[in-house]
Parts: sequence; C-alpha cells; structure tokens
Amino acid sequence: GAGVSQTPSNKVTEKGKYVELRCDPISGHTALYWYRQSLGQGPEFLIYFQGTGAADDSGLPNDRFFAVRPEGSVSTLKIQRTERGDSAVYLCASSLALAGQTNNEQFFGPGTRLTVL
Amino acid sequence: GDSVTQMEGPVTLSEEACLTINCTYTATGYPSLFWYVQYPGEGLQLLLKATKADDKGSNKGFEATYRKETTSFHLEKGSVQVSDSAVYFCALSDRAGGSYIPTFGRGTSLIVHP
Repeated sequence: GAGVSQTPSNKVTEKGKYVELRCDPISGHTALYWYRQSLGQGPEFLIYFQGTGAADDSGLPNDRFFAVRPEGSVSTLKIQRTERGDSAVYLCASSLALAGQTNNEQFFGPGTRLTVL
Repeated sequence: GDSVTQMEGPVTLSEEACLTINCTYTATGYPSLFWYVQYPGEGLQLLLKATKADDKGSNKGFEATYRKETTSFHLEKGSVQVSDSAVYFCALSDRAGGSYIPTFGRGTSLIVHP
C-alpha cells in the first residue's frame, strides 16, 4: 500500500531555470492537490485537480506556475523562469472523496524541497 | 477570508506533561476543523477532525473540541511522550464557501524531552 510519493525529494536550480516536480497519488484517488510550504509557515494551496481537470487553480501565484494531470493520476507541477522567492517545500496530497464531502481526508506526500540559487 | 491562528512555538515539555496548543479560526460559513501532524522527515498526517459544533475529535490520546462560541479548536493531550515531538497544524475547510480547500495555520512545533 504505497502512499503519495513525490520526486525529486530535493531540487536545486539556478534563477531563471525551468523545473518540474512530480507527484504520484494513491491509486484510485480522484482528487489531487498541490501546496507550497515556506519556512515557518503552513501549507499554502496552489491548485486542485478532480480527475484530469484543474477544478481550482486560484492559488497559483502567477503565470510562471502551471500543473497538469493528463491521465488523472500522476501530476506534474511546472515552474518557469524560477526566482529565489520560489524556494520552498512543494507538497502534494490526494484524497478519495470529492471536495465538499465531510470525509475528504487528504493524504500528503513527503514533499519536494526546491532551492533556487 | 478564512484564516487560522495558532499559538507560537516551539512548545517544550517534559515527558508526561500536559499539552495544550491553542487554535482559533475565522470563517464565513460552517467549517470542518482539523489537526494535522508532521513528524520529522515525514509528510503531514491527519491527526483528528471535527465536522460540527461541539464535536470532539480524538486520536492517539489527543483531543480537540469544536467550540463555535469561541471559534476555537484547541489540541490537548494529558500526558505527552517523546514520540509526540512534531509540528502540529490546525486547519479548516469551509463547506459554505465557494471552495473547500483547507486553510492551514502556521504550525506549532512541539519538543518533548525525556
């Protein structure tokens, strides 16, 4: 019974570069969430998928951030022209139930620590 | 908008001491309330939850009661262990709002010494 996995666990890149962060949700979970966690802060919502479609992308900070989930399972968070302020831990979570249902427990991955130099 | 406020950490206790981590919230609707725990090197895990006023969530000796009148959801444990050392996040999910995405507090670090 694998949980949510994220790769890579650590990513160091230079300012201006492009990065991709991958999330493998729990098998059968239809909902997938991306969060960003800065040092000393709680997770901050970025985007939420229900199946293949982005149901809510209101948390994406700007158009440099984009995420896809083409087959309704694995998701990739893409960041273009990275900036030092993008440095954070990026968390992925998945859940079985639809958002809005009371039993929408989210299962989190260990995160990817992104450092932009 | 919705928000969650947690007490500042770190909270440092000796083993078997009593724990309270305060959490208050503001929400436009009728939120569900959650406590998540993040152990060192691991992802966030749901610790307990409560979906309506006066509900008590409990797990692993931890408890929290949904207090609508004081908009609070304080986390309590009667006797902490070294293995409870972790970061604890209070969160809400507002069912009446347009979005049901959880809003998290900043987290409170708990350090338990033997």
